[in-house]
Amino acid sequence: GAGVSQSPRYKVAKRGQDVALRCDPISGHVSLFWYQQALGQGPEFLTYFQNEAQLDKSGLPSDRFFAERPEGSVSTLKIQRTQQEDSAVYLCASSQIYSEKLFFGSGTQLSVL
Amino acid sequence: DQQVKQNSPSLSVQEGRISILNCDYTNSMFDYFLWYKKYPAEGPTFLISISSIKDKNEDGRFTVFLNKSAKHLSLHIVPSQPGDSAVYFCAASEGTYKYIFGTGTRLKVLA
Repeated sequence: GAGVSQSPRYKVAKRGQDVALRCDPISGHVSLFWYQQALGQGPEFLTYFQNEAQLDKSGLPSDRFFAERPEGSVSTLKIQRTQQEDSAVYLCASSQIYSEKLFFGSGTQLSVL
Repeated sequence: DQQVKQNSPSLSVQEGRISILNCDYTNSMFDYFLWYKKYPAEGPTFLISISSIKDKNEDGRFTVFLNKSAKHLSLHIVPSQPGDSAVYFCAASEGTYKYIFGTGTRLKVLA
């Protein structure tokens, strides 16, 4: 595709609700990243995939956060039992393997009420 | 404990002049440094990078300088243009994938 696509663009959830955020990376990009950006902060690393393998999930804030990329392309970030502190923009990025040039999507803005 | 710091939240520069954005880091093991630009409602866009074996990298109007002894890097934009108005993030990594971002500097270029 032309770029990294994320959906939905905006998501409002009630506290306790489960949400799923989707990322379509650039075709052929092996590496895929999820970042969380709180208001006024820089993006914070959540997790990294190389193809379908999740090589690093050290940034996931709690066991309520789960990410998958089962076929090595589309990825889903799932947040269970959402809390107010989960409100943030969730950014997905992809890149060619070992490249420092990450291509970011526009993000999903999650608001938990 | 922030490993990558951008101490200036905002900067205003006249069109045509030089913009200098600064970034400090604490981890001496970082070996790749990057600058990203972000417009409102868009994701960050890669601008320029530098590895720890270099002290300067240039790409058109953008130059990044790295001072390893001071653990400091800077981005120079010459000449600055109104379209450069955006939030600029510096990022650093130890290895090839786990990039740590600063909090950003909002640049405003005045016409």
